[in-house]
Amino acid sequence: DADVTQTPRNRITKTGKRIMLECSQTKGHDRMYWYRQDPGLGLRLIYYSFDVKDINKGEISDGYSVSRQAQAKFSLSLESAIPNQTALYFCATEGQSADTQYFGPGTRLTVL
Amino acid sequence: GENVEQHPSTLSVQEGDSAVIKCTYSDSASNYFPWYKQELGKGPQLIIDIRSNVGEKKDQRIAVTLNKTAKHFSLHITETQPEDSAVYFCAASRVNQGGKLIFGQGTELSVKP
Repeated sequence: DADVTQTPRNRITKTGKRIMLECSQTKGHDRMYWYRQDPGLGLRLIYYSFDVKDINKGEISDGYSVSRQAQAKFSLSLESAIPNQTALYFCATEGQSADTQYFGPGTRLTVL
Repeated sequence: GENVEQHPSTLSVQEGDSAVIKCTYSDSASNYFPWYKQELGKGPQLIIDIRSNVGEKKDQRIAVTLNKTAKHFSLHITETQPEDSAVYFCAASRVNQGGKLIFGQGTELSVKP
């Protein structure tokens, strides 16, 4: 079984809809991250959490929110989706050594 | 803010040739430099990393070099194979100083048989 899972893997939605992307991990890591990938822009950090009670904004948090429901779960929400949020979204986890990040398989989101 | 520049954005080589991808970073306090490989339809996976206390690290056909003075680091792949075709990302961070990974823009490597 994969250590970091993301659901859904693909989602098509309409402008204005609320969307939630979910991430679960079995690695026992405290640190979790949400990234957005766009062609030519690499991976940009949306939000991150160093433990269940800790939530921090990344470089592109506007239009997004997150919830850390448990050590193993970190959800990303788009309250009112817009077309320029069409992208590939990745969740990642990191252990206490604070170096290697382990990525999920990604969610491809299309906002029409 | 901190940023990482990665070049080239695309790279095409013949099977058996070498491939080199270069990155420069802006934060002189960065001390950890990983490289990730992303295959089609998958998330990035760590392939090699280097810390600021060494200048070079090698793992079979891949190697990474670091020049702290110039603030740049490079990925070298020798004897390339078609399965090396993927997108490669460099990144930089300050490990244990609360720093987060800052990623380069990615390089799409194509190895032609």
